[in-house]
Amino acid sequence: GENVEQHPSTLSVQEGDSAVIKCTYSDSASNYFPWYKQELGKRPQLIIDIRSNVGEKKDQRIAVTLNKTAKHFSLHITETQPEDSAVYFCAAMWDTGFQKLVFGTGTRLLVSP
Amino acid sequence: EAGVVQSPRYKIIEKKQPVAFWCNPISGHNTLYWYRQNLGQGPELLIRYENEEAVDDSQLPKDRFSAERLKGVDSTLKIQPAELGDSAVYLCASSLGPGELFFGEGSRLTVL
Repeated sequence: GENVEQHPSTLSVQEGDSAVIKCTYSDSASNYFPWYKQELGKRPQLIIDIRSNVGEKKDQRIAVTLNKTAKHFSLHITETQPEDSAVYFCAAMWDTGFQKLVFGTGTRLLVSP
Repeated sequence: EAGVVQSPRYKIIEKKQPVAFWCNPISGHNTLYWYRQNLGQGPELLIRYENEEAVDDSQLPKDRFSAERLKGVDSTLKIQPAELGDSAVYLCASSLGPGELFFGEGSRLTVL
């Protein structure tokens, strides 16, 4: 069935460093790949997304890259700040007549001052 | 603009008791989702509605879980009877269609 794998599960960086989170998906029919940020006790919120007709998308300090051949996509955060500390979830949407969004298991990012 | 509203935020019950969660999506959003999020895990889809029609309930444990969205707006998710393993955060989300999901704050259920 549909599956999204996410790595690493935990990532610790120093403030100012870059952070990279990687996800792979199982179904080549996936066409939409969002990233959500969830702070402790809060709701998941979309931070960036990419569709299958695009290879890369940037928004200030965050970027997402997509490799459709390898079926993986990555989140890149540059110049990390303590407020970037949160759990990040990747997701993939399957358009199989009805759109189904499946989430990865999450990456806990800790940015130390 | 009001976001997705869920209630209650927290619920503690004993096993075998019933529980219900309510969700009010963003106005105009026809698609509504219920997800379950276990501690340290990503959200897992329970059911998805297009207006009042449940179009994907393959992950809903139908022996004890039920959901409804009678008028295509608000939705309720019910568990009866609750089991220890049902302890989780139940997230409601809505969207205009394929694309960004807007989540509520969630309902944290603890089953003792």
